[in-house]
Amino acid sequence: LAKTTQPISMDSYEGQEVNITCSHNNIATNDYITWYQQFPSQGPRFIIQGYKTKVTNEVASLFIPADRKSSTLSLPRVSLSDTAVYYCLVDMVAYSGAGSYQLTFGKGTKLSVIP
Amino acid sequence: DADVTQTPRNRITKTGKRIMLECSQTKGHDRMYWYRQDPGLGLRLIYYSFDVKDINKGEISDGYSVSRQAQAKFSLSLESAIPNQTALYFCATSDLASGISTDTQYFGPGTRLTVL
Repeated sequence: LAKTTQPISMDSYEGQEVNITCSHNNIATNDYITWYQQFPSQGPRFIIQGYKTKVTNEVASLFIPADRKSSTLSLPRVSLSDTAVYYCLVDMVAYSGAGSYQLTFGKGTKLSVIP
Repeated sequence: DADVTQTPRNRITKTGKRIMLECSQTKGHDRMYWYRQDPGLGLRLIYYSFDVKDINKGEISDGYSVSRQAQAKFSLSLESAIPNQTALYFCATSDLASGISTDTQYFGPGTRLTVL
């Protein structure tokens, strides 16, 4: 599975847009890019997923350039409640169970929103 | 009611004791997972099960065993607990049949285990 690299931590003031970039140089043709959010002492929660170009939902946007070697999670106008760890994952489409399987969460990016 | 529940939520035990962590889900998903999380290390996969008759080792299965009693239940056991198994343990579920393109996972609230 492709591994990812993302910043260990980021700080932002309330109301600002936050962009977290993830590098995945070895992403495979069948891999999707997925972001999860984790609050302290809680399980990770799915935020957004994409394959190419741009995906937007009610929580965030995901920008993926044509070469797919990186992606950027964009959180508009963050609030204190957005303080969390954000994980970038790459994952094979519709994994069938043949061969080994390992979804790697990595260490994530700790986002701290400052009042 | 929560879709994925874990019991107990907190547990303190002694070295050498047998411990079982339980996970139940009401999402109707076929796939279930156990992860552990240590400070600064993200989540690491221990075991996973794609259906009731399927059990697979993950990245760090040594010292752990699992049982998939039913579609809705997946238990993690530490046969003889040791201090370096002190961690936060998460159960998760997913279901390709939902039509989502990849394994979007839904996590339980976690079990904080301390081995003295």
